[in-house]
Amino acid sequence: AQKVTQAQTEISVVEKEDVTLDCVYETRDTTYYLFWYKQPPSGELVFLIRRNSFDEQNEISGRYSWNFQKSTSSFNFTITASQVVDSAVYFCALSRGNTGKLIFGQGTTLQVKP
Amino acid sequence: DGGITQSPKYLFRKEGQNVTLSCEQNLNHDAMYWYRQDPGQGLRLIYYSQIVNDFQKGDIAEGYSVSREKKESFPLTVTSAQKNPTAFYLCASTSYPLDITLPEAFFGQGTRLTVV
Repeated sequence: AQKVTQAQTEISVVEKEDVTLDCVYETRDTTYYLFWYKQPPSGELVFLIRRNSFDEQNEISGRYSWNFQKSTSSFNFTITASQVVDSAVYFCALSRGNTGKLIFGQGTTLQVKP
Repeated sequence: DGGITQSPKYLFRKEGQNVTLSCEQNLNHDAMYWYRQDPGQGLRLIYYSQIVNDFQKGDIAEGYSVSREKKESFPLTVTSAQKNPTAFYLCASTSYPLDITLPEAFFGQGTRLTVV
């Protein structure tokens, strides 16, 4: 069965702290994509990053970085020097094969306090 | 600008009524999807369509219906058979199959449905 687990329901940090959001997935597909989306209070989903199953290269984009490890089926997301504007719900998602049918984790609510 | 438009943003339904949520995209995507989000939970797939005039049930299709008469449009009807329809509904679109250079799903801004 395909599944995405975000074990951290809520995280609260103080501004400028680093924070890592965990994501573990299960799939038998050999080709798949992993995504991170941000959901601010307004509700829309904002795309952050994608990775395909053949590309384990880690990525850094400004204060954001992602660590993809197939050996542990994990795709973790780190925010360095967090800011209040980072407060949101973050979702990790897995594609069902090469389709856009996504399986979402339950989301991690991140609260960054000033 | 290309994107997905959902309307209305807020919708109130009386018990026993059917209501239809609109979703339109101008991204020229073949595939469209409807997801439901309940408080504190992730999104769950209701229905999807990979081509005009064809659609498939997702994980929680009971009490919902869809149509795909045009590539740009994928309306969702919440029927009276849906026992707990209060939720946030998100429409999405992608290429089909996923384009390796642009595989991410694009989402609308959502419709918040409340049963009164």
